[in-house]
Amino acid sequence: EPEVTQTPSHQVTQMGQEVILRCVPISNHLYFYWYRQILGQKVEFLVSFYNNEISEKSEIFDDQFSVERPDGSNFTLKIRSTKLEDSAMYFCASSPGGGYGYTFGSGTRLTVV
Amino acid sequence: AQTVTQSQPEMSVQEAETVTLSCTYDTSESDYYLFWYKQPPSRQMILVIRQEAYKQQNATENRFSVNFQKAAKSFSLKISDSQLGDAAMYFCARGGGSNYKLTFGKGTLLTMNP
Repeated sequence: EPEVTQTPSHQVTQMGQEVILRCVPISNHLYFYWYRQILGQKVEFLVSFYNNEISEKSEIFDDQFSVERPDGSNFTLKIRSTKLEDSAMYFCASSPGGGYGYTFGSGTRLTVV
Repeated sequence: AQTVTQSQPEMSVQEAETVTLSCTYDTSESDYYLFWYKQPPSRQMILVIRQEAYKQQNATENRFSVNFQKAAKSFSLKISDSQLGDAAMYFCARGGGSNYKLTFGKGTLLTMNP
């Protein structure tokens, strides 16, 4: 069964550093997403990406965040200058559209120290 | 704001018994989808069951079934013949809009009684 792959599984970074979280969505999917889950809290939508551009973003997704699909297969989330409150589990997901086949990756646990 | 509400922060069930997890949602869209996800301690998001809002028939996946009440905007999950492996956090989610983003509830922690 096709999978969404995320790397790394766990990243520790110092406050103020830049991090890049990587995802390989399912190859024939058209919609790509990043979600965030702070420990003990609900999963929150960050951004959706369709047709090589951001299609929707939440208020959480401010100027320190950016996404890219540089080579047609990888989908990355960059956090420019990390803060302590960015510590969370970050999930990538992809979908062919229409609410079907929505698939999550296993997540990247980001710890900012 | 279009919200998803899970009113039960925690539920417990005995092995082999049945438990129902509640979920209500708010939406202004006519076309949307509803999901239940299971999150074990590994924190992976595992799809349990999905329901299209335009379908009146309740979705079923083996021991998992839903009670979808569209007019009441209610989407509860019933787990029958509960097993130890069912212990996890369960999230209800609504998907829709042009980008099909998901809006999640706060989750219900399901624990197994010894």
